[in-house]
Amino acid sequence: AQSVTQLDSQVPVFEEAPVELRCNYSSSVSVYLFWYVQYPNQGLQLLLKYLSGSTLVKGINGFEAEFNKSQTSFHLRKPSVHISDTAEYFCAVSGPTKFYFGSGTKLNVKP
Amino acid sequence: NAGVTQTPKFQVLKTGQSMTLQCAQDMNHEYMSWYRQDPGMGLRLIHYSVGAGITDQGEVPNGYNVSRSTTEDFPLRLLSAAPSQTSVYFCASRSQGSTDTQYFGPGTRLTVL
Repeated sequence: AQSVTQLDSQVPVFEEAPVELRCNYSSSVSVYLFWYVQYPNQGLQLLLKYLSGSTLVKGINGFEAEFNKSQTSFHLRKPSVHISDTAEYFCAVSGPTKFYFGSGTKLNVKP
Repeated sequence: NAGVTQTPKFQVLKTGQSMTLQCAQDMNHEYMSWYRQDPGMGLRLIHYSVGAGITDQGEVPNGYNVSRSTTEDFPLRLLSAAPSQTSVYFCASRSQGSTDTQYFGPGTRLTVL
């Protein structure tokens, strides 16, 4: 079975600072990995995904993530955050019939 | 191409009432699912379907029914609403294979009094 752990429930950061949101997964099979973003009172929007190929994946809004198979991690990074990045971020892995989501990390960008 | 649509956006029910949350997608995806989102608990899978006529239970199926008569529609039925079902409900559809991605609807915020 697959599972996803997001180590930080909340991450406060100042505007223009770099940020890393951590995600670890467990799986006995090869998986696809995803990051979704949820802005207040909205649905989930795909930020980026890793299906195969280069382990460094670039997404929307300047975010990127690196797939590390040996550490079973898929951490999300942005070199300089903006106030508009304030949202909740979910890491997910896909299995044959289900998606498995982490519990979410709330990113709070302060001016 | 509207993607995944959900109705209603908001709903208030009294305990014991029944209702159906509607979900439709126009991307011809076989796979659809329902989640509920509660503070601090992330997304929990209620039911899912891998195609018309095929449904299965997720993590928290009790109190909910689903059916899938067409590829496009996947309604979620609350048979007898309880306050514990107060939540935000998201429907999603999934493209599979080499483009594996799940697409979410805007959500339904349900309050059960």
